[in-house]
Amino acid sequence: EDQVTQSPEALRLQEGESSSLNCSYTVSGLRGLFWYRQDPGKGPEFLFTLYSAGEEKEKERLKATLTKKESFLHITAPKPEDSATYLCAASDGGYNKLIFGAGTRLAVHP
Amino acid sequence: NAGVTQTPKFRILKIGQSMTLQCAQDMNHNYMYWYRQDPGMGLKLIYYSVGAGITDKGEVPNGYNVSRSTTEDFPLRLELAAPSQTSVYFCASSPSGRGDGYTFGSGTRLTVV
Repeated sequence: EDQVTQSPEALRLQEGESSSLNCSYTVSGLRGLFWYRQDPGKGPEFLFTLYSAGEEKEKERLKATLTKKESFLHITAPKPEDSATYLCAASDGGYNKLIFGAGTRLAVHP
Repeated sequence: NAGVTQTPKFRILKIGQSMTLQCAQDMNHNYMYWYRQDPGMGLKLIYYSVGAGITDKGEVPNGYNVSRSTTEDFPLRLELAAPSQTSVYFCASSPSGRGDGYTFGSGTRLTVV
């Protein structure tokens, strides 16, 4: 069964303390690995799509990487405004249907 | 651009009642999706559509129905509401089926009592 697992469930960081979020997937025929950010009471916001092992994408303090079994979201020198839930999702076939992980709740304190 | 608009934002239903969750997008996206999000769980796909007149089931379709008569609108119908349908429902759209990121609506929080 295709599955996406995220760890840790929650992460508390001090402002400026870099860290990484993990997303492991068991999906046959991966078509894409997606990262989204979700703020409380809002819909998820698209961040990145990664397609093949070794690929990296960056946006401000965020960098996403992909291997054959997992993806990492690296957060460099985070700020309090980076506090959110980060969702990972995988596409296993056509029509861009996604399998989501449960998310990592990130809290960045001043 | 409004993006993806969902209505209502909140709703309380009694067991056995029915309702329609509305979703509209103004980006001319062909692909539209309905997901539900429960605490501690990943979003689960309910139904999806690849264009007007074409819909198909996702992972958790039981108790729901959809229609897609236009490119813009993709309503989700709940018949005979049950407590298990208490959830937050998100509608999303994407331009194609080739790895585009979704644009999500702001969600409908539904409680069935």
